[in-house]
Amino acid sequence: AQSVTQPDIHITVSEGASLELRCNYSYGATPYLFWYVQSPGQGLQLLLKYFSGDTLVQGIKGFEAEFKRSQSSFNLRKPSVHWSDAAEYFCAVGEDDMRFGAGTRLTVKP
Amino acid sequence: GAVVSQHPSRVICKSGTSVKIECRSLDFQATTMFWYRQFPKQSLMLMATSNEGSKATYEQGVEKDKFLINHASLTLSTLTVTSAHPEDSSFYICSAPDRDLSEQYFGPGTRLTVT
Repeated sequence: AQSVTQPDIHITVSEGASLELRCNYSYGATPYLFWYVQSPGQGLQLLLKYFSGDTLVQGIKGFEAEFKRSQSSFNLRKPSVHWSDAAEYFCAVGEDDMRFGAGTRLTVKP
Repeated sequence: GAVVSQHPSRVICKSGTSVKIECRSLDFQATTMFWYRQFPKQSLMLMATSNEGSKATYEQGVEKDKFLINHASLTLSTLTVTSAHPEDSSFYICSAPDRDLSEQYFGPGTRLTVT
């Protein structure tokens, strides 16, 4: 069965610092992988997705993620975090039955 | 931790009938719940925000008369697909934030197949 693990429940970074949010998945075939962001009281917003091809995926708001099959990982990165990036981030896997990680809350320090 | 359940997990119905999907927060109260659908090989699409005791807020392009949402209590929101057609076949997921909006919990999803 497909599943997703986000090992970090809460991460705090300083504004301007780099960010990496971890995501590990379990899936029997080539996975469809997603990263979403959610601000309080809002629905999910898609940041980026990976279906096939280039393993480094560019998304919105300056985010990117790299698919590493050997590590079953799809970590989200941003070179320089902005205060407005503070939110909860969800990794998800699934071609048509999506499964979510528990989420990582990002706090940005001034 | 908090759990959100959905019922049924799978349902098959005939074209023209209506189907109700339930989303329950099992150990916390949710004044807001979100309903999403996922088409095969696509990302989630937010359909509507369900608010306890008031009308749901639908996203642009979502037919509110077709996808009826009722949030009658702090632990239950229902999505009714009325006069279902094969194009409504999809995977429907609900989610609910806890009271202070600090955590978001997802249901396991409901696979709807309309024949």
